[in-house]
Amino acid sequence: NAGVTQTPKFQVLKTGQSMTLQCAQDMNHEYMSWYRQDPGMGLRLIHYSVGAGITDQGEVPNGYNVSRSTTEDFPLRLLSAAPSQTSVYFCASSWGQGQETQYFGPGTRLLVL
Amino acid sequence: KQEVTQIPAALSVPEGENLVLNCSFTDSAIYNLQWFRQDPGKGLTSLLLIQSSQREQTSGRLNASLDKSSGRSTLYIAASQPGDSATYLCAVNSGYSTLTFGKGTMLLVSP
Repeated sequence: NAGVTQTPKFQVLKTGQSMTLQCAQDMNHEYMSWYRQDPGMGLRLIHYSVGAGITDQGEVPNGYNVSRSTTEDFPLRLLSAAPSQTSVYFCASSWGQGQETQYFGPGTRLLVL
Repeated sequence: KQEVTQIPAALSVPEGENLVLNCSFTDSAIYNLQWFRQDPGKGLTSLLLIQSSQREQTSGRLNASLDKSSGRSTLYIAASQPGDSATYLCAVNSGYSTLTFGKGTMLLVSP
């Protein structure tokens, strides 16, 4: 098992550019989510999914888009990057709603100039 | 809205000391509480998961307790070692496997 994988590890964007952060898991987990981590703010939930075809917004969803076409993949799209989106992004997955450990990917460091 | 607070924000101890990290949360309607470790520039490693019906969990030198009614959890680290130096994060699961995190306690254990 590779667990939760994220690509790329590091990315530099210019303001206004778009990109997709990839997240994949090979544990057949139904629940997946995206967080961003900023100094002094901790980790905050961006979007989450409770299964293929089902997504919902978290605490800080503005400027981000998600879809879940398969159980394995949960990409995060930045529609028009802004410097405020400079952050470290983590993807997480778990099997059940409340009984299971959350597994986190290694993160993607994004710098928006 | 669930809010999670961790105290202290930073802690520096000599090797061998026993220490306690504190976590409090505002809404007691949780599924579980999880403690993570994060090394600088790295991802999150799960240390302990306590279900809402449990009072404590132990793994090696680590012991986590949960008092759901008062909205508190503690992480006890016995006989601390320099390798324990990291940031420790507390997170509560209030549903849909989404977590609300505290800002963490940065621990430094000196030899």
